[in-house]
Amino acid sequence: EAQVTQNPRYLITVTGKKLTVTCSQNMNHEYMSWYRQDPGLGLRQIYYSMNVEVTDKGDVPEGYKVSRKEKRNFPLILESPSPNQTSLYFCASSFRGNQSPLHFGNGTRLTVT
Amino acid sequence: GDSVTQMEGPVTLSEEAFLTINCTYTATGYPSLFWYVQYPGEGLQLLLKATKADDKGSNKGFEATYRKETTSFHLEKGSVQVSDSAVYFCALRDNNDMRFGAGTRLTVKP
Repeated sequence: EAQVTQNPRYLITVTGKKLTVTCSQNMNHEYMSWYRQDPGLGLRQIYYSMNVEVTDKGDVPEGYKVSRKEKRNFPLILESPSPNQTSLYFCASSFRGNQSPLHFGNGTRLTVT
Repeated sequence: GDSVTQMEGPVTLSEEAFLTINCTYTATGYPSLFWYVQYPGEGLQLLLKATKADDKGSNKGFEATYRKETTSFHLEKGSVQVSDSAVYFCALRDNNDMRFGAGTRLTVKP
């Protein structure tokens, strides 16, 4: 089954404790992206990647890192999480080009205390 | 930069009512337009899309027409069901820039 898999679904952590949210897709998509969803703000892009070893900042990259060492994986790293990073995070992937819709994972709800 | 503005919610309708959710966009290029739906506890799913002016996207009774002259992509459904209760997002894609509206929560009551 074609899918984007994120783990974990729920995560509670404390300020400053490094964490990684994993994302994997099995559709051979070149493009992958991370978003955060906050009430009233819709989805805001954190980072995206056009292909292996190519990553770019989105609208809200501060406090986040990503890597794209393999085509299928695109982990999101929070080196020193803070409470303002409490949010619902989505990974998405697609083929390149205007006409390709994004395929989303089921989300990771992160709480930083 | 590109942006999407959609009707604020929440929207509450009775079953079999007509639905319209307004969406307008600004873009410098020639974007494709999308509607996504998000059910509770899930990620966004593609509902429909249109890739050029005057295209109509449709799926599951929902429709939207890409209107370049009014820069709009309004979502419509003639008769909503309880199972349509969800959050709906309008989005545009211009090359690798993807922009989403803030989302509109729809509740359909029996």
